[in-house]
Amino acid sequence: AQSVSQHNHHVILSEAASLELGCNYSYGGTVNLFWYVQYPGQHLQLLLKYFSGDPLVKGIKGFEAEFIKSKFSFNLRKPSVQWSDTAEYFCAVNSKAAGNKLTFGGGTRVLVKP
Amino acid sequence: DARVTQTPRHKVTEMGQEVTMRCQPILGHNTVFWYRQTMMQGLELLAYFRNRAPLDDSGMPKDRFSAEMPDATLATLKIQPSEPRDSAVYFCASGSGDRASGTDTQYFGPGTRLTVL
Repeated sequence: AQSVSQHNHHVILSEAASLELGCNYSYGGTVNLFWYVQYPGQHLQLLLKYFSGDPLVKGIKGFEAEFIKSKFSFNLRKPSVQWSDTAEYFCAVNSKAAGNKLTFGGGTRVLVKP
Repeated sequence: DARVTQTPRHKVTEMGQEVTMRCQPILGHNTVFWYRQTMMQGLELLAYFRNRAPLDDSGMPKDRFSAEMPDATLATLKIQPSEPRDSAVYFCASGSGDRASGTDTQYFGPGTRLTVL
């Protein structure tokens, strides 16, 4: 069975600081990886995804993530955050064996102080 | 700009009442998912469909919840009778699933915020 861990539950940082959110998954086969963002009171929006190819994936709003297969990780990064990046971030994985079922991590709440 | 739509956006009801939530997937998407989000449990997958056929509803309390897709443009999630512990935000997502490759991207609707008193 696949599972996803997001080790940081809460992150507080100031505007212009760099952000890195950790995501580790457990599954031995081929996986597809996703990061979603949920702004306060809103639905989940896709930030970026990795299916294959270049392990460094660029998404919307200046976010990027790097797939490191040997570490089973897919960490999310942004070099300089803005107040508007305050949100909850979810890492998710699906795999061929699991069909199209997404398994989500527990989420990381990010608060960016102006 | 294609989007998943859900109705109602908010629902307040009393314990014991029936609740029906509706979802219109993105046109052309062949997979539909229902999730429940609470502070305590996070995001939980309740059920999902491919080509209107239910594939997995193991996450759903069988005695009171039911999910259906009467046609390709409508998915419903029904709770009967509702209980206070069902209070949550219920999200629908749709995707253009390709089971062979496992590649699929889910797009979420705005959710239905359910409060059961």
